[in-house]
Amino acid sequence: QSALTQPASVSGSPGQSITLSCTGTSSDVDGFNYVSWYQQHPGKAPKMMIYDVSNRPSGISDRFSGSKSGNTASLTISGLQAEDEADYYCSSYTSSSTRVFGTGTKVTVL
Amino acid sequence: EVQLLESGGGLVQPGGSLRLSCAASGFTFSSYAMTWVRQAPGKGLYWVSAISVGGFTYYADSVKGRFTISRDNSKNTLYLQMNSLRVEDTAVYYCVKDFRYGSGWGQGTLVTVSS
Repeated sequence: QSALTQPASVSGSPGQSITLSCTGTSSDVDGFNYVSWYQQHPGKAPKMMIYDVSNRPSGISDRFSGSKSGNTASLTISGLQAEDEADYYCSSYTSSSTRVFGTGTKVTVL
Repeated sequence: EVQLLESGGGLVQPGGSLRLSCAASGFTFSSYAMTWVRQAPGKGLYWVSAISVGGFTYYADSVKGRFTISRDNSKNTLYLQMNSLRVEDTAVYYCVKDFRYGSGWGQGTLVTVSS
């Protein structure tokens, strides 16, 4: 159950688009369409932004979109805003019927 | 409104035990799978354990054999019995409703394992 690999940090200017990656294996990301993404602000509980690779929960802005190609999932944030500055984690279902999280990416809005 | 209230955290010595509870309200508890996720101070999220509607249980390798997840549908409460605790188990433990759809997280309870 090794953690999925995410870049430690990604930054962008307001209004820009950024893409976060999440790399796994054939036993998790590549094997199932059950990748989710979470946003976490300091001191707060995580908030789901995307489930099942590309679906947004009710109330989540359409500036957030998800995709997957092979063993790499991606989260794109369009029209970057100051409030998007946070930590982001991906998660995937695994062949062991468990879940695994990514290492996390800190998004900085310049 | 979904509410999940964790309790039972605290300071425990290595090798000790602790039982966490998660009191659920605002939804039909018995109809949803429940999950525990933890986060060590300053670190990332870590999936710990889950229990299905039918009572099937799943564990991360690092806690298998030491932790036991259970649920009491009559009390709308999720539990995590933690035995043989290690320093590396120190974390905030979150209770999560219906993990796949992320439909509710508690605010967490802090477990500190230290001598």
